[in-house]
Amino acid sequence: EAGVTQFPSHSVIEKGQTVTLRCDPISGHDNLYWYRRVMGKEIKFLLHFVKESKQDESGMPNNRFLAERTGGTYSTLKVQPAELEDSGVYFCASSHRQGYNSPLHFGNGTRLTVT
Amino acid sequence: AQKVTQAQTEISVVEKEDVTLDCVYETRDTTYYLFWYKQPPSGELVFLIRRNSFDEQNEISGRYSWNFQKSTSSFNFTITASQVVDSAVYFCALILFSGGYNKLIFGAGTRLAVHP
Repeated sequence: EAGVTQFPSHSVIEKGQTVTLRCDPISGHDNLYWYRRVMGKEIKFLLHFVKESKQDESGMPNNRFLAERTGGTYSTLKVQPAELEDSGVYFCASSHRQGYNSPLHFGNGTRLTVT
Repeated sequence: AQKVTQAQTEISVVEKEDVTLDCVYETRDTTYYLFWYKQPPSGELVFLIRRNSFDEQNEISGRYSWNFQKSTSSFNFTITASQVVDSAVYFCALILFSGGYNKLIFGAGTRLAVHP
């Protein structure tokens, strides 16, 4: 079974540019999550999809961030325009069901550097 | 407020030493789950353990053991006879019944370096 894959693994962009991160969840997993770790701090929840619907986007920092999951398969997270404070590692995770008993499978993360 | 604190930013040990990673959490919920994840150099977050708030029994899995104490809101992780392959960043996390069990609240992580 293929795990959660994220692309790219690294991205370096200039302030003001646009970047799109992609996440391919494990096949059959309806739940998809985005998390972010900034500057060695705690990993923070961004949002949660159930299939193509946003279940909870309370962690999205501002309207420069747009997440989509068309067709309920892969998801993209676009940052436009990027700011310096957006630098960090963006993790994607998926699970078969919601709740504590369905473990989250995390990807390797995308390291974003905004210069 | 919900919060997870891992006070140790970095720990450095020599192989075969025992090491304990501290985790203290805050929540008003009575029903919750606690987790530990490992992030090796390859980057992915690897699930290690899940413990519910009603089960304070300590758990041992090989060289790993976990000590959950509700009285001090702590969920500490001990590695016995550490090995170089244990070098990683370790995250403690909390998930709440009131949050629908859908948001993991992570600590800042502890970077463990095990030297030969």
